[in-house]
Amino acid sequence: DAMVIQNPRYQVTQFGKPVTLSCSQTLNHNVMYWYQQKSSQAPKLLFHYYDKDFNNEADTPDNFQSRRPNTSFCFLDIRSPGLGDAAMYLCATRTDNNQPQHFGDGTRLSIL
Amino acid sequence: QQQVKQSPQSLIVQKGGISIINCAYENTAFDYFPWYQQFPGKGPALLIAIRPDVSEKKEGRFTISFNKSAKQFSLHIMDSQPGDSATYFCAASRGFSGAGSYQLTFGKGTKLSVIP
Repeated sequence: DAMVIQNPRYQVTQFGKPVTLSCSQTLNHNVMYWYQQKSSQAPKLLFHYYDKDFNNEADTPDNFQSRRPNTSFCFLDIRSPGLGDAAMYLCATRTDNNQPQHFGDGTRLSIL
Repeated sequence: QQQVKQSPQSLIVQKGGISIINCAYENTAFDYFPWYQQFPGKGPALLIAIRPDVSEKKEGRFTISFNKSAKQFSLHIMDSQPGDSATYFCAASRGFSGAGSYQLTFGKGTKLSVIP
């Protein structure tokens, strides 16, 4: 059974039209991460939450924001998607101390 | 200093052969070295991981060799199978043992193709 669930699996939006991607987890992990992965590249960390504490990577564009209303859910908001934002967006979770990150299967975002 | 360099970029191995992927790092503060396997359209899945206090870890057909002095680690896949065809990412992080979040620094990935 999937433990990190991302919805939708495929998302198409128009240039400049806000879009929200969601991630839910059944693991009760306190850390949640959002990564961007472009074709044939490694995942790139955008930001993460440790409990309710939000940590933004220095090079994450202001266009990308996140919300975590509770332990189980985390959202990635792209306010004005550009063509360069077309990518796979991966959510990962982790609990404290000596535990690895668990990834979801991602949302493939296309921009028209 | 945060980089993890991975090679080769792509690898073709015959069924039953040994696949070897290498990674090198600079940051001596790294304390956790996982390998992730990713199939097309799927998220990365943890394959095997090692801490710097051991030189080798084996799980089934998968072995990590770790050389702390050389700051290198490698993944060996024995008896490679067509089902192993995927992209493999090495990664490194620090603060794995502590409370709080830790961040993975990924290599650029190796696309492995195992041909029958």
